[in-house]
Amino acid sequence: NAGVTQTPKFRVLKTGQSMTLLCAQDMNHEYMYWYRQDPGMGLRLIHYSVGEGTTAKGEVPDGYNVSRLKKQNFLLGLESAAPSQTSVYFCASSLRAHGETQYFGPGTRLLVL
Amino acid sequence: LAKTTQPISMDSYEGQEVNITCSHNNIATNDYITWYQQFPSQGPRFIIQGYKTKVTNEVASLFIPADRKSSTLSLPRVSLSDTAVYYCLVGPKNYGGSQGNLIFGKGTKLSVKP
Repeated sequence: NAGVTQTPKFRVLKTGQSMTLLCAQDMNHEYMYWYRQDPGMGLRLIHYSVGEGTTAKGEVPDGYNVSRLKKQNFLLGLESAAPSQTSVYFCASSLRAHGETQYFGPGTRLLVL
Repeated sequence: LAKTTQPISMDSYEGQEVNITCSHNNIATNDYITWYQQFPSQGPRFIIQGYKTKVTNEVASLFIPADRKSSTLSLPRVSLSDTAVYYCLVGPKNYGGSQGNLIFGKGTKLSVKP
């Protein structure tokens, strides 16, 4: 099992550009999450999904969109990147609710100039 | 919201026992307490989980008092490799439960010195 994988590992964007971050899990988990981590801020939930075709907002959803067309994939989109979105993005999945063990990907470092 | 509060940082020396306490005053009846460890440039990874009393595994122990409003992660005989950020997370395990209170917080940065 690969667990949770994230693509790309690192990306540089210019302000206003768009991009999509891909998260994939091979554990047949129902729940998937996108977090961002900034220095001194811990992990903050952006969006999450409780199953294929469903998404919901987390703590800091503004400026991001997500889709879960397939159970194993969870996409995070930035339509018009801003310097404030410079961060490390982590994807995670869990079998059911977030009280279950969450398995995290290696992260994507995003720099918006 | 089952918000958690932890110390921002802690220092220790190799071989000592480290106890990190997390406060979660608004924990719900069906919430579990889970601790994660995060090394620099890596995603968090599961350490231990519990509901009440004491849980022990090969790397840590988790102590939860009867009122469940706090929990203490105990790391026995820490080494330099235990230097990391530790997070406690409170949440339900039942399918369909609200995820609106999924808050990791800022964690506790543990520094182990030789």
